[in-house]
Amino acid sequence: GENVEQHPSTLSVQEGDSAVIKCTYSDSASNYFPWYKQELGKRPQLIIDIRSNVGEKKDQRIAVTLNKTAKHFSLHITETQPEDSAVYFCAARDYNNNDMRFGAGTRLTVKP
Amino acid sequence: KAGVTQTPRYLIKTRGQQVTLSCSPISGHRSVSWYQQTPGQGLQFLFEYFSETQRNKGNFPGRFSGRQFSNSRSEMNVSTLELGDSALYLCASSLSTTGINTDTQYFGPGTRLTVL
Repeated sequence: GENVEQHPSTLSVQEGDSAVIKCTYSDSASNYFPWYKQELGKRPQLIIDIRSNVGEKKDQRIAVTLNKTAKHFSLHITETQPEDSAVYFCAARDYNNNDMRFGAGTRLTVKP
Repeated sequence: KAGVTQTPRYLIKTRGQQVTLSCSPISGHRSVSWYQQTPGQGLQFLFEYFSETQRNKGNFPGRFSGRQFSNSRSEMNVSTLELGDSALYLCASSLSTTGINTDTQYFGPGTRLTVL
């Protein structure tokens, strides 16, 4: 089955700096890659997703890039703000198995 | 549209008991997936239901089971509870109109289960 690894596990940046979180996946059949943000005590919220027919997707300060050959995808947050502080999860969906596998999460702290 | 709802939000049980958790998906969504979230293991996939059928299952023992009703509402059941079952149980729904697996999943608030 699919295995998703996420790095780093913790990330601390200064307000205004950029943050990058990287994930790798093992199953070349995976074709859907969402990113979720989970604030303390709240449900995971989808912030951006990418499908395997595109290499990059942007939504204001957030972007995701996908390298299918290398089987990795990354989340980029620019001009970080304290409210970006949360745990971020990447995931990959295996088209054959239909289940979603999550990375272990990255705790992002944005210092004002 | 109302979001995904889960009941109850909090639950305290003792070892050996059983528990049933409920998830109501977003109206029109036909797929419901269940996840277990713990600090040590992260988000782990339990199972997914689509049109009242279990479409896929994760690596959990048979004590964990689920079902889906004709209105797409889903329940999961854990029998013979163990201390290690203490976790946040999240469900997520997706539209999945054509049965393909790339539809966005929307999470419910979760049920926090504590096993004493």
